Amino acid sequence: GAVVSQHPSRVICKSGTSVKIECRSLDFQATTMFWYRQFPKQSLMLMATSNEGSKATYEQGVEKDKFLINHASLTLSTLTVTSAHPEDSSFYICSARRQGASSYNEQFFGPGTRLTVL
Amino acid sequence: LAKTTQPISMDSYEGQEVNITCSHNNIATNDYITWYQQFPSQGPRFIIQGYKTKVTNEVASLFIPADRKSSTLSLPRVSLSDTAVYYCLAPNAGKSTFGDGTTLTVKP
Repeated sequence: GAVVSQHPSRVICKSGTSVKIECRSLDFQATTMFWYRQFPKQSLMLMATSNEGSKATYEQGVEKDKFLINHASLTLSTLTVTSAHPEDSSFYICSARRQGASSYNEQFFGPGTRLTVL
Repeated sequence: LAKTTQPISMDSYEGQEVNITCSHNNIATNDYITWYQQFPSQGPRFIIQGYKTKVTNEVASLFIPADRKSSTLSLPRVSLSDTAVYYCLAPNAGKSTFGDGTTLTVKP
C-alpha cells in the first residue's frame, strides 16, 4: 500500500510554455501533499504544502504565481509551472501524507517528474 | 526550519553492517524521526520510522537515544544495491526539511 504516482515522468517543453504535473495517491487518501524540487547532486527542496480544499502554503522564495498548485481532492494534487524557463529545469517530486497519519513525517513519495525546458 | 545533520558520505563493503547517524537538535516533542532512501532519478523511499528507543523492520533498525537529538540508522549486511543517498527527517513546528543526506557507497 501507500503508492503515489506522478504523471508525466518526463517532459520536455519550449521556453514560455506551461507544464502541468499530476500527483496521485493511489490507495489512500491524502489530506496533505508536498511538492519538492531537486537539482542534480542536491537534496530535495520543499516548494509548497497543499491541503485538500485550501490554498497551498509556499516556502520562502518560491513564486506562487509561477508554480500553481491545486489540491482538488484527497487523491490528486497538480503543480503547474507557468511560463517555464530553462532555469526551471529540474526534478519535481511530490509526496502525500496519509489521512489520519500519526506523524507529520509519514509521507510517501512519487517517482518524480523530470522537466527539461529548452 | 528543522534541518538535520548527517555525514556527507560513507563507504562500506558488501556484507558489512552500516550505521548512519543523524543529528536533529530541534525535533518536535511529539513527532517521529523518519529515514528515506533515494536512488538517482527516483523519489525517496520510506525505510523506517521511530519515536524513541529501538525500532526494527525487515530492512533496517533505528536507534534513538532518550534525548531524541540524534538517531542512527543501521543497515545489516549491505549489498551493492544499497548504494544510495539516505536522508533522515525530523520535524519541528510542523515542518521538516531534507538535509544534505548521506551518500552510501557499497563496494564489492
